[in-house]
Amino acid sequence: EAGVAQSPRYKIIEKRQSVAFWCNPISGHATLYWYQQILGQGPKLLIQFQNNGVVDDSQLPKDRFSAERLKGVDSTLKIQPAKLEDSAVYLCASSALTSGRAYEQYFGPGTRLTVT
Amino acid sequence: SQQGEEDPQALSIQEGENATMNCSYKTSINNLQWYRQNSGRGLVHLILIRSNEREKHSGRLRVTLDTSKKSSSLLITASRAADTASYFCATEAYFGTGTSLTVIP
Repeated sequence: EAGVAQSPRYKIIEKRQSVAFWCNPISGHATLYWYQQILGQGPKLLIQFQNNGVVDDSQLPKDRFSAERLKGVDSTLKIQPAKLEDSAVYLCASSALTSGRAYEQYFGPGTRLTVT
Repeated sequence: SQQGEEDPQALSIQEGENATMNCSYKTSINNLQWYRQNSGRGLVHLILIRSNEREKHSGRLRVTLDTSKKSSSLLITASRAADTASYFCATEAYFGTGTSLTVIP
């Protein structure tokens, strides 16, 4: 079974530029998550999708971050414009639905973003 | 803000010893999960315990849950150098701050 795919693996941009990350979840997984992980901290949920609907985006900085999951499969997370404090690893995860609830998450390798 | 908080923040033990990490959370839960993260394999799910369970085992892992105290603990028995990693508890999609475990060969 193929795992969660993410690209690119690394990205360096200057502040005020824009950047986009792509995620392809495990086939059949209805729930998709984007996390931001700053060095030394736990993953912080940015947005959770169930199929192509948003379940939780309470911690997404909506003035600069956006995400979409067209057709309920792969997803794109965008930052525009980037700030220095956006430097982090962006993790994508997916999970299956069991009895209407999502449980074990499978994580991709992440995209390491450096904003200079 | 994150849901859980792990304690201790860092733990260093000798190979063969047991390691215990604790997690406290803030709101009522349906289940609590533990994950491990190291540079080689990324973030990996270890074990899930449901709110109506008090203890669960998986290999060398033992997890307990006390919903009245809103806390959980992860015990790793007979630790190995390969257990060196950061360990996180998670409730729903919210992760704690993590415990960094170093197992010295």
